[in-house]
Amino acid sequence: QVQLQESGPGLVKPSETLSLTCTVSGASVSSYYWSWVRQPPGKGLEWIAYVYKSGSTRYNPSLKSRATISLDMSKNQFSLRLTSVTAADTAVYYCTKHNVVPVLEEGLDVWGQGTTVTVSS
Amino acid sequence: QSVLTQPPSASGTPGQRVTISCSGGNSNIGRNTVNWYQQLPGAAPKLLMYKSNQRPSGVPDRFSGSRSGTSASLAISGLQSEDEADYYCAAWDESLDGYVFGTGTKVTVL
Repeated sequence: QVQLQESGPGLVKPSETLSLTCTVSGASVSSYYWSWVRQPPGKGLEWIAYVYKSGSTRYNPSLKSRATISLDMSKNQFSLRLTSVTAADTAVYYCTKHNVVPVLEEGLDVWGQGTTVTVSS
Repeated sequence: QSVLTQPPSASGTPGQRVTISCSGGNSNIGRNTVNWYQQLPGAAPKLLMYKSNQRPSGVPDRFSGSRSGTSASLAISGLQSEDEADYYCAAWDESLDGYVFGTGTKVTVL
């Protein structure tokens, strides 16, 4: 079955760039859509962005100016970069998979375990 | 803040039926189907319902979903202690051109 594993630094300084990678096993990244979702401590879920092999991407409008999502098919990974981070970006970040159907109507059906990122000096 | 509104909490005794509402608008639930996620304490979310009323393989039929107009709901029949979790609705929003989650509902089994 498809498994996802997030990796990246657990601590990022304010104003710097957060970089996370999701390693996919059990499927090719060229076969599905891939999203990042985050959850600040004690709060709800927030979708960040998705990417597809065609280069198609969509971003949460509130993060669009700072976020970049990309695919690395040679490594079967996808990544997230978030620039100019502040304490408000402190959260658990999840990588997720969804099927190639419109408007995510089949939902985010596979999730990684999540990685905690703290923004602090 | 989220464009999908859920009650902060819901509760019931074992065996009871609990219903969680999700209120949206014409650009999200009014146009697209709804997905539901269950997040057990300390765990990653899990897809519980897709296309408003379809259960992924392995999800008990105690869980059911519906959508009408700009609202949706998730019902848990025969509530069990292992159902104690946070539940989130979600849908694509055409105006935002993005996926939006509900505010979340904490279900407590009394």
